[in-house]
Amino acid sequence: NAGVTQTPKFRILKIGQSMTLQCTQDMNHNYMYWYRQDPGMGLKLIYYSVGAGITDKGEVPNGYNVSRSTTEDFPLRLELAAPSQTSVYFCASMEGGSRGELFFGEGSRLTVL
Amino acid sequence: SQELEQSPQSLIVQEGKNLTINCTSSKTLYGLYWYKQKYGEGLIFLMMLQKGGEEKSHEKITAKLDEKKQQSSLHITASQPSHAGIYLCGAGEDTGNQFYFGTGTSLTVIP
Repeated sequence: NAGVTQTPKFRILKIGQSMTLQCTQDMNHNYMYWYRQDPGMGLKLIYYSVGAGITDKGEVPNGYNVSRSTTEDFPLRLELAAPSQTSVYFCASMEGGSRGELFFGEGSRLTVL
Repeated sequence: SQELEQSPQSLIVQEGKNLTINCTSSKTLYGLYWYKQKYGEGLIFLMMLQKGGEEKSHEKITAKLDEKKQQSSLHITASQPSHAGIYLCGAGEDTGNQFYFGTGTSLTVIP
């Protein structure tokens, strides 16, 4: 049972580097989300998507980009990494908006030095 | 955007004690979700409340949504070390698209 799969699980970046966090779900969910979680804090919504080809900004979108070319994949791109982007990133999916369980990936721990 | 405030921010209790975590919204809640996160791991779904006055229980955890649908509480009876972790409330916007989380409550249970 794959569910929501995130890669990589850990990554160290230098300031100014770019990278993409991958997220794939095999549940045919329309809604997908990217969150970041800073130490001891709750989750902040970065971007979300309600279906293939549709993306929108959440609470903290600056410094990130997303795309949704297929239902399954929702990659998160970090351009010009900054120390403030050091965090744990979670991808999640839901069948239909706020009317069901939100399924989470295991998280990707990113450190920017 | 929806704002969800949780209290307390952290909690340390002796094993066997009862405890309550609160989640307050700035807007009417269209579905309130409780998740648990073990330290350094992903999130585990606990339960979902949708109707005003609704109450759900699973093992020793009970969650309630108030009649006005702006506040929820999570109550743990006879806490155990396995209950330790971060508890997060989450809710969708009225449009049903964005999904927000509260500030989190860190629970430590001392054996």
